[in-house]
Amino acid sequence: NAGVTQTPKFQVLKTGQSMTLQCAQDMNHNSMYWYRQDPGMGLRLIYYSASEGTTDKGEVPNGYNVSRLNKREFSLRLESAAPSQTSVYFCASSLGQFYSNQPQHFGDGTRLSIL
Amino acid sequence: KQEVTQIPAALSVPEGENLVLNCSFTDSAIYNLQWFRQDPGKGLTSLLLIQSSQREQTSGRLNASLDKSSGRSTLYIAASQPGDSATYLCAVKSGSARQLTFGSGTQLTVLP
Repeated sequence: NAGVTQTPKFQVLKTGQSMTLQCAQDMNHNSMYWYRQDPGMGLRLIYYSASEGTTDKGEVPNGYNVSRLNKREFSLRLESAAPSQTSVYFCASSLGQFYSNQPQHFGDGTRLSIL
Repeated sequence: KQEVTQIPAALSVPEGENLVLNCSFTDSAIYNLQWFRQDPGKGLTSLLLIQSSQREQTSGRLNASLDKSSGRSTLYIAASQPGDSATYLCAVKSGSARQLTFGSGTQLTVLP
């Protein structure tokens, strides 16, 4: 049972570098999400995709871009990494769209450090 | 703006105790509330989801209640075990905002 798979698990970048975090789910879910988790702040939504071909901003979208490549895959890109983007990034998916009572399923996270 | 608070931030109990974790939210116009478990270095595992029209949900030794009018939810864990040690997060899906708002979590340690 793979569920939600994120790659890489760990990454260290220098300020100004770019990178893409990958996420794939094998549960045939319609909606996918990217969150960041910072100490004392809980998880905050960066972007979400209610269905293939659509994306919307969440609470903290600045500095990020996303691509819903197909129904399975949702990637998060940092174009010019900044130290403030040091965080743990989680991808999640759910069967229904946002206003449904379907739970979200999470990947194990990507631990990203920006020096 | 919805705010979710979990108190205490950390809790340590001996094995076998029944315990209650608390979650409060500021805007009662919620769509649903979820309780998650997070193990160190891992993602979140959904434990229970309570719809706004429900008062409680049960799964095994876990029981979650919801009181929208007072802006509170509790997660009751019966007969705690060392394997229950983890951080427990609650998250609220608000009717007005298109996002899940998370609390900062309660770190639970069950001592053998």
